Amino acid sequence: AQKITQTQPGMFVQEKEAVTLDCTYDTSDQSYGLFWYKQPSSGEMIFLIYQGSYDEQNATEGRYSLNFQKARKSANLVISASQLGDSAMYFCAMRDWSGNTPLVFGKGTRLSVIA
Amino acid sequence: DTGVSQDPRHKITKRGQNVTFRCDPISEHNRLYWYRQTLGQGPEFLTYFQNEAQLEKSRLLSDRFSAERPKGSFSTLEIQRTEQGDSAMYLCASSPGYDEKLFFGSGTQLSVL
Repeated sequence: AQKITQTQPGMFVQEKEAVTLDCTYDTSDQSYGLFWYKQPSSGEMIFLIYQGSYDEQNATEGRYSLNFQKARKSANLVISASQLGDSAMYFCAMRDWSGNTPLVFGKGTRLSVIA
Repeated sequence: DTGVSQDPRHKITKRGQNVTFRCDPISEHNRLYWYRQTLGQGPEFLTYFQNEAQLEKSRLLSDRFSAERPKGSFSTLEIQRTEQGDSAMYLCASSPGYDEKLFFGSGTQLSVL
């Protein structure tokens, strides 16, 4: 079974600074995908970025990048040049591709961007 | 592409009543998922459909929970004899295929008094 651990319940970052949100995962599968979602106060889960376990390069999507360290089983999200609108809950999630399993989420990190 | 739509956004009910939530996925998305999210937690998987077939329902929290997707389009999630512990956000998501990212709706916030 997969498990996602997010150890930072809350984080603060100054506007325009970069911030790293931690995520570690546990799985016995060799083939899997890692996702990050943002959940603003409106409640909708917004997809941010994806990393496949066999991808050799770290994924990037605009100001978001994923620091993937397979040996350490970590998939940290880096947000560069933080904006006030980045204040939200951030969830790390994973699914394996071998058993057609559902997406499993961590408990999330609440990010607050300070002006 | 109008996104995943959930109705209602909020539902307040008394303990013991039945409630039904509706989810309209993005058109032509084959897969539809239901998740539950309680305060301070990440979404918890409940069930999912491939077209009209319910492929996984063992994670439904009890036999009071049931879901349907009769024509492979919209889906409903029903909770019978609601309990206070059922109070949560119920999220619906859809995807074009099993290896695609999930698109989520805004959820239905259920409060059981």
